[in-house]
Amino acid sequence: KNQVEQSPQSLIILEGKNCTLQCNYTVSPFSNLRWYKQDTGRGPVSLTIMTFSENTKSNRRYTATLDADTKQSSLHITASQLSDSASYICVVTDRGSTLGRLYFGRGTQLTVWP
Amino acid sequence: EADIYQTPRYLVIGTGKKITLECSQTMGHDKMYWYQQDPGMELHLIHYSYGVNSTEKGDLSSESTVSRIRTEHFPLTLESARPSHTSQYLCASSELVGGGYEQYFGPGTRLTVT
Repeated sequence: KNQVEQSPQSLIILEGKNCTLQCNYTVSPFSNLRWYKQDTGRGPVSLTIMTFSENTKSNRRYTATLDADTKQSSLHITASQLSDSASYICVVTDRGSTLGRLYFGRGTQLTVWP
Repeated sequence: EADIYQTPRYLVIGTGKKITLECSQTMGHDKMYWYQQDPGMELHLIHYSYGVNSTEKGDLSSESTVSRIRTEHFPLTLESARPSHTSQYLCASSELVGGGYEQYFGPGTRLTVT
Protein backbone atom coordinates (compact mmCIF):
# COMPACT_ATOMS: atom_id res chain seq x y z
CA LYS A 1 0.00 0.00 0.00
CA ASN A 2 1.32 3.42 -0.96
CA GLN A 3 1.78 5.48 2.20
CA VAL A 4 3.52 8.62 3.38
CA GLU A 5 4.31 9.03 7.10
CA GLN A 6 5.55 12.26 8.68
CA SER A 7 7.06 13.11 12.03
CA PRO A 8 6.72 14.84 14.32
CA GLN A 9 3.00 15.51 14.13
CA SER A 10 3.56 18.96 15.65
CA LEU A 11 6.55 21.08 16.62
CA ILE A 12 7.03 24.34 18.51
CA ILE A 13 10.27 26.30 18.17
CA LEU A 14 11.49 29.77 18.99
CA GLU A 15 12.05 32.34 16.28
CA GLY A 16 15.56 32.13 14.84
CA LYS A 17 16.02 28.45 15.66
CA ASN A 18 16.47 25.66 13.12
CA CYS A 19 14.32 22.54 12.81
CA THR A 20 14.11 19.34 10.78
CA LEU A 21 10.96 17.56 9.68
CA GLN A 22 10.92 13.90 8.63
CA CYS A 23 9.09 11.93 5.96
CA ASN A 24 9.07 8.18 5.24
CA TYR A 25 7.25 6.73 2.24
CA THR A 26 6.40 3.40 0.68
CA VAL A 27 5.13 4.73 -2.68
CA SER A 28 6.35 2.61 -5.58
CA PRO A 29 7.42 3.05 -8.28
CA PHE A 30 8.75 6.38 -7.09
CA SER A 31 8.64 9.43 -9.36
CA ASN A 32 9.30 12.48 -7.24
CA LEU A 33 8.87 13.92 -3.76
CA ARG A 34 7.66 17.38 -2.87
CA TRP A 35 7.42 19.37 0.29
CA TYR A 36 4.45 21.72 0.48
CA LYS A 37 3.72 24.51 2.92
CA GLN A 38 0.08 24.99 3.85
CA ASP A 39 -0.93 28.06 5.79
CA THR A 40 -4.11 27.80 7.85
CA GLY A 41 -7.16 28.12 5.63
CA ARG A 42 -5.11 28.11 2.42
CA GLY A 43 -4.14 25.63 -0.26
CA PRO A 44 -0.70 23.94 -0.22
CA VAL A 45 2.17 25.72 -1.96
CA SER A 46 5.14 23.78 -3.32
CA LEU A 47 8.52 24.44 -1.65
CA THR A 48 10.80 21.87 -3.28
CA ILE A 49 10.58 18.94 -5.67
CA MET A 50 13.14 16.15 -5.93
CA THR A 51 13.45 13.27 -8.35
CA PHE A 52 15.04 9.88 -7.76
CA SER A 53 18.55 11.07 -8.64
CA GLU A 54 18.56 14.16 -6.43
CA ASN A 55 19.87 14.04 -2.85
CA THR A 56 19.35 17.60 -1.75
CA LYS A 57 17.64 20.75 -2.91
CA SER A 58 17.44 24.20 -1.36
CA ASN A 59 14.91 26.99 -1.64
CA ARG A 60 15.92 30.03 0.40
CA ARG A 61 15.89 28.88 4.07
CA TYR A 62 14.41 25.47 3.20
CA THR A 63 16.68 22.51 2.43
CA ALA A 64 15.19 19.14 1.51
CA THR A 65 17.09 15.86 1.41
CA LEU A 66 16.12 12.58 -0.17
CA ASP A 67 17.46 9.06 0.39
CA ALA A 68 15.73 6.95 -2.25
CA ASP A 69 17.32 3.75 -0.91
CA THR A 70 15.81 4.08 2.57
CA LYS A 71 12.77 5.99 1.23
CA GLN A 72 13.26 8.87 3.61
CA SER A 73 13.23 12.62 3.19
CA SER A 74 13.77 15.55 5.50
CA LEU A 75 13.02 19.26 5.36
CA HIS A 76 15.40 21.53 7.26
CA ILE A 77 14.31 25.07 8.04
CA THR A 78 17.08 27.49 8.94
CA ALA A 79 16.70 30.63 11.07
CA SER A 80 12.95 30.21 11.49
CA GLN A 81 10.61 33.18 11.19
CA LEU A 82 7.11 33.72 12.55
CA SER A 83 5.77 33.38 9.00
CA ASP A 84 7.10 29.81 8.90
CA SER A 85 4.23 28.77 11.18
CA ALA A 86 2.22 26.40 8.97
CA SER A 87 1.66 22.75 8.14
CA TYR A 88 4.44 21.15 6.10
CA ILE A 89 3.26 18.30 3.94
CA CYS A 90 5.37 15.62 2.29
CA VAL A 91 3.89 14.47 -1.03
CA VAL A 92 5.07 11.60 -3.23
CA THR A 93 4.13 10.83 -6.84
CA ASP A 94 4.26 7.33 -8.28
CA ARG A 95 5.85 6.95 -11.69
CA GLY A 96 3.14 4.67 -13.00
CA SER A 97 0.35 7.23 -12.74
CA THR A 98 -0.75 9.02 -15.91
CA LEU A 99 -2.97 11.11 -13.68
CA GLY A 100 -0.08 12.56 -11.73
CA ARG A 101 -1.54 10.95 -8.60
CA LEU A 102 -0.14 12.36 -5.37
CA TYR A 103 0.15 10.58 -2.03
CA PHE A 104 -0.01 12.95 0.91
CA GLY A 105 1.35 12.77 4.44
CA ARG A 106 -0.70 14.24 7.27
CA GLY A 107 1.76 17.05 7.69
CA THR A 108 3.83 18.46 10.53
CA GLN A 109 2.23 21.47 12.20
CA LEU A 110 5.05 23.92 12.92
CA THR A 111 4.54 26.82 15.31
CA VAL A 112 7.22 29.48 15.63
CA TRP A 113 7.07 31.59 18.79
CA PRO A 114 8.64 35.02 19.15
CA GLU B 1 1.19 32.30 -7.06
CA ALA B 2 -0.94 29.85 -9.04
CA ASP B 3 -3.86 31.13 -11.13
CA ILE B 4 -6.48 28.85 -9.63
CA TYR B 5 -9.51 30.24 -7.86
CA GLN B 6 -12.20 28.87 -5.59
CA THR B 7 -15.44 30.41 -4.43
CA PRO B 8 -16.83 30.76 -1.91
CA ARG B 9 -13.93 30.68 0.53
CA TYR B 10 -16.27 29.97 3.45
CA LEU B 11 -19.80 28.58 3.41
CA VAL B 12 -22.17 27.80 6.28
CA ILE B 13 -25.35 26.11 5.14
CA GLY B 14 -28.22 24.10 6.58
CA THR B 15 -28.83 20.39 6.12
CA GLY B 16 -30.59 19.40 2.91
CA LYS B 17 -29.50 22.40 0.84
CA LYS B 18 -27.94 22.02 -2.59
CA ILE B 19 -24.56 23.66 -2.97
CA THR B 20 -22.00 24.16 -5.72
CA LEU B 21 -18.36 24.90 -5.02
CA GLU B 22 -16.70 26.75 -7.87
CA CYS B 23 -13.18 26.17 -9.15
CA SER B 24 -11.54 27.83 -12.11
CA GLN B 25 -8.02 28.05 -13.49
CA THR B 26 -6.55 30.27 -16.17
CA MET B 27 -3.45 28.20 -16.91
CA GLY B 28 -5.06 26.00 -19.57
CA HIS B 29 -4.34 22.80 -17.63
CA ASP B 30 -6.17 19.67 -18.75
CA LYS B 31 -5.95 17.74 -15.49
CA MET B 32 -7.94 18.98 -12.51
CA TYR B 33 -8.67 17.53 -9.08
CA TRP B 34 -10.87 17.92 -6.01
CA TYR B 35 -9.54 17.00 -2.58
CA GLN B 36 -11.23 16.82 0.81
CA GLN B 37 -9.22 17.65 3.91
CA ASP B 38 -10.27 17.43 7.55
CA PRO B 39 -8.27 19.32 10.22
CA GLY B 40 -4.92 17.69 10.92
CA MET B 41 -5.50 15.02 8.31
CA GLU B 42 -4.09 14.34 4.86
CA LEU B 43 -5.72 15.41 1.62
CA HIS B 44 -7.97 12.77 0.06
CA LEU B 45 -8.69 12.74 -3.67
CA ILE B 46 -12.45 12.68 -4.30
CA HIS B 47 -12.73 13.58 -8.01
CA TYR B 48 -10.47 14.16 -10.97
CA SER B 49 -10.68 15.04 -14.63
CA TYR B 50 -8.33 14.41 -17.55
CA GLY B 51 -9.99 17.15 -19.59
CA VAL B 52 -13.29 18.39 -21.01
CA ASN B 53 -16.12 15.85 -20.60
CA SER B 54 -13.90 13.61 -18.47
CA THR B 55 -14.70 13.03 -14.78
CA GLU B 56 -13.71 10.19 -12.48
CA LYS B 57 -14.16 9.34 -8.81
CA GLY B 58 -11.09 9.41 -6.61
CA ASP B 59 -9.87 7.30 -3.72
CA LEU B 60 -12.29 8.60 -1.11
CA SER B 61 -15.95 7.91 -1.69
CA SER B 62 -17.95 11.12 -1.89
CA GLU B 63 -21.62 11.92 -2.42
CA SER B 64 -20.61 14.98 -4.41
CA THR B 65 -20.59 15.17 -8.21
CA VAL B 66 -18.45 17.18 -10.62
CA SER B 67 -18.66 18.36 -14.20
CA ARG B 68 -16.10 19.55 -16.76
CA ILE B 69 -17.78 21.35 -19.61
CA ARG B 70 -14.96 23.86 -20.09
CA THR B 71 -11.23 23.39 -19.59
CA GLU B 72 -10.99 26.20 -17.07
CA HIS B 73 -14.00 25.30 -14.94
CA PHE B 74 -14.45 22.28 -12.60
CA PRO B 75 -17.38 22.79 -10.20
CA LEU B 76 -18.34 20.38 -7.41
CA THR B 77 -21.98 19.91 -6.39
CA LEU B 78 -23.65 18.45 -3.33
CA GLU B 79 -27.36 17.80 -4.00
CA SER B 80 -28.30 17.57 -0.33
CA ALA B 81 -25.75 18.76 2.20
CA ARG B 82 -25.33 16.89 5.50
CA PRO B 83 -23.22 17.63 8.61
CA SER B 84 -20.87 14.80 7.58
CA HIS B 85 -19.93 16.91 4.53
CA THR B 86 -18.37 19.54 6.79
CA SER B 87 -14.76 19.79 5.65
CA GLN B 88 -12.27 21.79 3.61
CA TYR B 89 -12.45 21.24 -0.16
CA LEU B 90 -9.37 21.97 -2.24
CA CYS B 91 -9.27 22.21 -6.03
CA ALA B 92 -6.07 21.72 -8.00
CA SER B 93 -4.82 21.56 -11.57
CA SER B 94 -1.59 20.14 -12.91
CA GLU B 95 0.89 20.38 -15.75
CA LEU B 96 3.74 18.15 -16.87
CA VAL B 97 7.01 19.66 -15.67
CA GLY B 98 10.37 17.93 -16.21
CA GLY B 99 8.91 14.45 -16.48
CA GLY B 100 6.60 14.81 -13.49
CA TYR B 101 3.28 16.50 -12.78
CA GLU B 102 3.26 19.73 -10.77
CA GLN B 103 -0.03 20.36 -9.01
CA TYR B 104 -1.22 23.86 -8.17
CA PHE B 105 -3.81 24.30 -5.45
CA GLY B 106 -6.56 26.82 -4.98
CA PRO B 107 -7.14 28.50 -1.60
CA GLY B 108 -9.89 26.05 -0.64
CA THR B 109 -13.52 26.28 0.47
CA ARG B 110 -14.27 25.71 4.12
CA LEU B 111 -17.76 24.14 4.23
CA THR B 112 -19.81 23.86 7.41
CA VAL B 113 -23.18 22.11 7.30
CA THR B 114 -25.37 22.74 10.33
